[in-house]
Amino acid sequence: QKEVEQDPGPLSVPEGAIVSLNCTYSNSAFQYFMWYRQYSRKGPELLMYTYSSGNKEDGRFTAQVDKSSKYISLFIRDSQPSDSATYLCAMSASNDYKLSFGAGTTVTVRA
Amino acid sequence: DVKVTQSSRYLVKRTGEKVFLECVQDMDHENMFWYRQDPGLGLRLIYFSYDVKMKEKGDIPEGYSVSREKKERFSLILESASTNQTSMYLCASSFNIQATDTQYFGPGTRLTVL
Repeated sequence: QKEVEQDPGPLSVPEGAIVSLNCTYSNSAFQYFMWYRQYSRKGPELLMYTYSSGNKEDGRFTAQVDKSSKYISLFIRDSQPSDSATYLCAMSASNDYKLSFGAGTTVTVRA
Repeated sequence: DVKVTQSSRYLVKRTGEKVFLECVQDMDHENMFWYRQDPGLGLRLIYFSYDVKMKEKGDIPEGYSVSREKKERFSLILESASTNQTSMYLCASSFNIQATDTQYFGPGTRLTVL
C-alpha cells in the first residue's frame, strides 16, 4: 500500500464550479501538507502548504487537513480554465526535503 | 524569476548506454534534487545534493549516480540504462530544505530506453 493515495481522476468541471481534490495517507507522523500544481509540459509548482490540522485559505484556494482521519483536501472555488492542471499532494513528517507525493489528479475546467 | 533548465526535453537511448541528464539553476540555491515521475506513482526522489560535491540518496537511488561539481549544475547519470528507467525526470532546486519551502522545478526530461 502506498503511503499517500490520491484520487486519480481525471476530473472535468464547468467553469465556475467548485473543484474538490483529496488525498489520504497512512503515516500518522506527517505534519506538513503541501499542494503542488503541474501544468502540462511543465514542472510542479508549490501552490500552498498547511501545518498540522485545520484550514488555510489563499484566494480561491482552500486547503484542509484532518489528521484524525488522515485526509487532506484542496478546494478551488470559482474554477477557471487556467486552473486546468494536475494537482499533486505532498507530505512530510519533519519539515525537511523528504516529501511523499500523491500520484496526482488531472483537472480540466471547461469554458 | 527562478529558472531551472534541463538539457533535453526528450531523450531516446538504448539499453546499456550511459546516460547523462543535466540540470542548471540560476538562483544560487544550495539544494538540488532529482526526481522521477511515473503514472500512478507520483514523484519519487532519486538523489539530493545540499552543496557542491555533497549528496544524499533518496528513495530510489539504485541504478543512478549524481555529480555536483559546480553549485549551479546537478547531473544525473544512468550508468547502464535499462527499460525500467523509462520515465519523466524532474530536477528541482531550493534555497532551504524545509518541506514547506518552494522547490523550483525544471520542465522535465522524458527519457525512453529501448
